Amino acid sequence: SQQGEEDPQALSIQEGENATMNCSYKTSINNLQWYRQNSGRGLVHLILIRSNEREKHSGRLRVTLDTSKKSSSLLITASRAADTASYFCATLSEKLVFGKGTKLTVNP
Amino acid sequence: DTAVSQTPKYLVTQMGNDKSIKCEQNLGHDTMYWYKQDSKKFLKIMFSYNNKELIINETVPNRFSPKSPDKAHLNLHINSLELGDSAVYFCASSLANYNEQFFGPGTRLTVL
Repeated sequence: SQQGEEDPQALSIQEGENATMNCSYKTSINNLQWYRQNSGRGLVHLILIRSNEREKHSGRLRVTLDTSKKSSSLLITASRAADTASYFCATLSEKLVFGKGTKLTVNP
Repeated sequence: DTAVSQTPKYLVTQMGNDKSIKCEQNLGHDTMYWYKQDSKKFLKIMFSYNNKELIINETVPNRFSPKSPDKAHLNLHINSLELGDSAVYFCASSLANYNEQFFGPGTRLTVL
């Protein structure tokens, strides 16, 4: 059964703005991962946050995890047109389960 | 050098046919996976292999049979193809179970 649910389903912003995507899940997890998928391509791993971590940074990416609320957020700062893609959260308990993704469009 | 490669990239075939998709990784990973992504972009795991042994076999019809000749290869054979099998199939690998996964470019299967 599906675990992660991303919100919003679609997001359209201007270059330079920040983009925030949220992920909610239902059961306890070992870790939560975020992936990016460009159109017609495979998924690319962005960041992994463990259940005992609250925040993690990687370049322009910032991920938070709130296990009490069973939610995570992915923040992309100073967005670029090249950030246009679908973003998926994936939660690991017994297996890795992907959400349906947020489609981000960054307009130049 | 390609880390995870799949062949073919596109596969168009008739209902009832049997087809195979090949996957190879040159990352030295122990674990490989097959995922199916439907038209709504929902990605679901089908199989997981660790060192050539099947770990996870989701509720996938037994028309789908994975084969791992060695830990660098995980092929997917599909018998008696049906319209509902049309999707993009992704192979992935990771160093250990469910760590960071590296995905192949996908195989778009269209069943007519």
